[in-house]
This record gives sequence, C-alpha cells and structure tokens, in this order.
Amino acid sequence: RKEVEQDPGPFNVPEGATVAFNCTYSNSASQSFFWYRQDCRKEPKLLMSVYSSGNEDGRFTAQLNRASQYISLLIRDSKLSDSATYLCAVNGDTPLVFGKGTRLSVIA
Amino acid sequence: DAGITQSPRHKVTETGTPVTLRCHQTENHRYMYWYRQDPGHGLRLIHYSYGVKDTDKGEVSDGYSVSRSKTEDFLLTLESATSSQTSVYFCAMGLGASYNEQFFGPGTRLTVL
Repeated sequence: RKEVEQDPGPFNVPEGATVAFNCTYSNSASQSFFWYRQDCRKEPKLLMSVYSSGNEDGRFTAQLNRASQYISLLIRDSKLSDSATYLCAVNGDTPLVFGKGTRLSVIA
Repeated sequence: DAGITQSPRHKVTETGTPVTLRCHQTENHRYMYWYRQDPGHGLRLIHYSYGVKDTDKGEVSDGYSVSRSKTEDFLLTLESATSSQTSVYFCAMGLGASYNEQFFGPGTRLTVL
C-alpha cells in the first residue's frame, strides 16, 4: 500500500455542485494533514490544514478519520475558479508525503 | 508574496553537465525542502534541511546533493545531469509547530537534453 493515495480523477462537476475528495494514508502515526491546491504550471499552495475535529473555511470543509486512515475535502457551491488539482499531504516518520493529486474541473 | 524565490526559473542543459538550482527565502525559517514533480509520480522529496549545514535525504536523493551555508539559501546540485532528471523542481519552506506546513517557491523547469 502506498503511503498516500488519492483518486486521480478528473472530477467534472457543474457550477454550484458539491464535490468531495478522499485521501488515504498508511502511517497510523501521522499527525499532520493538509490539503493543497495546484493550478496548471504553478506551485502547490496550502489550502487548509486538517484538524482532528474537522474544520471549515468558507465553502471548504476538511475532515480526518483516524480509524479508517483517511482525510477528506468537501467543496460546496463549486465555482469555475475551483478548477485545479488538489493534493493531500500527510506526515509520518519523514517530512510530508504528498498524494499525486485529484484533478477537478468545474464546468459552466 | 515573494517570501521564497527560485532561480533560474527555466534551464536547458546537456547530459553530463553539473547544474545548481537556488532557493532563497526571506523569512528566516529553519526548515527547507527540495521536491521534484513529474507526471504520474506527483511531488517527491529529494533532500531537506533543518538548519544551516544540517541536511537529510528524501525519497529520491540519488544523483542530487544539497548545501545550506546560510539560513536563507538552500542549493540543489545535480552532479552530472541525466535526461531522467528533466522535471519541475520546487523548493519549500516549513512553517508551523511541526514545520510541516510548507510554502512553495514558484518552481524551476529543468530540461536535460
């Protein structure tokens, strides 16, 4: 099992839709969890950290499920500008390990 | 925000030549990282640094070396470039209590012919 796995997508959704991504991790000792957004030919940018109790930032909600070892990102009311690749990142014994990313296309 | 910059932004070089990429931060952060990003592989850690002259290997360190003589600069050297090192290279600095909250530079697109 790879350290961090994501569904590569693409997820093609209409504007206004709700979309959710999952990311599974293998290291049960992981303590830090993040979601990044990467636009085409740009650097990854931190979208949000993921806290044990779950956290929300506007239309974005992140959750952690330690028992099943996955994190999730929910985007509500999708905008065209949300089109990007979303990377999860998890730490373990080493610095962050990134998933390969899930591509989201929001369609008008 | 220009807290972290990379140079050069683009480089084309020939197989067998040494190449050095520079990462510069103005934030005085202790942790810095070098990644490469390739289609189908995602972001992979090459080397990282946890202080001046303190470095460690990542997942894909073969063929690469790093140096950190000042807090603000983290250099990545390809000792003898190969075509398999054609990639986009990202530098990052680590923030937060665990230094895992990483902020990335704009990247260097390297082509080895």
